[in-house]
Amino acid sequence: GAVVSQHPSRVICKSGTSVKIECRSLDFQATTMFWYRQFPKKSLMLMATSNEGSKATYEQGVEKDKFLINHASLTLSTLTVTSAHPEDSSFYICSARRIRGGSYEQYFGPGTRLTVT
Amino acid sequence: AQSVSQHNHHVILSEAASLELGCNYSYGGTVNLFWYVQYPGQHLQLLLKYFSGDPLVKGIKGFEAEFIKSKFSFNLRKPSVQWSDTAEYFCAVNARYSSASKIIFGSGTRLSIRP
Repeated sequence: GAVVSQHPSRVICKSGTSVKIECRSLDFQATTMFWYRQFPKKSLMLMATSNEGSKATYEQGVEKDKFLINHASLTLSTLTVTSAHPEDSSFYICSARRIRGGSYEQYFGPGTRLTVT
Repeated sequence: AQSVSQHNHHVILSEAASLELGCNYSYGGTVNLFWYVQYPGQHLQLLLKYFSGDPLVKGIKGFEAEFIKSKFSFNLRKPSVQWSDTAEYFCAVNARYSSASKIIFGSGTRLSIRP
């Protein structure tokens, strides 16, 4: 089946530093990947759509300069949280899209828990 | 753009009770529908999905959901819940044939099962 991995699974960083999270589709190519954010006891909020070889599309209210997305290959997208603050602490989940039979399917990674101290 | 609403924010049941969680979506075109579960401290898991065919979909752990197109609904059901079903349940939708397709989640329903 389709597998999506994320690295790291947990990261703790100091306020003001930047953190990079990787998302990989392990057994299929994904021209499109998605980044979601989940606050404690809340639902997943779509942050942005990552497109291979082009700029990411951000949802309303998401700061593109703060959450840098790079999708340099068909199996890898990265999310960099720049100048992290404690309010950026959250669970970040990526998803890779596969096109099969004309239908669009998404597969989710296990998530990365970011804690900013 | 598609949207999803889950009407029940927190449901409390006793073991062996029957469960139905409501989910309605809004979108003018053809959709894929999903139910995901998140157990305490764990990551998201797919319970079941509807792409096409039989509108009654059976998933893992005895869950099922019925797609009623006329009502734009995809309610989740289980005839007899167990304590281990305590979790957060998310309904989700995406546009099946749109190149801009992306999965959008409902706000979630927290299910608490009393032993």
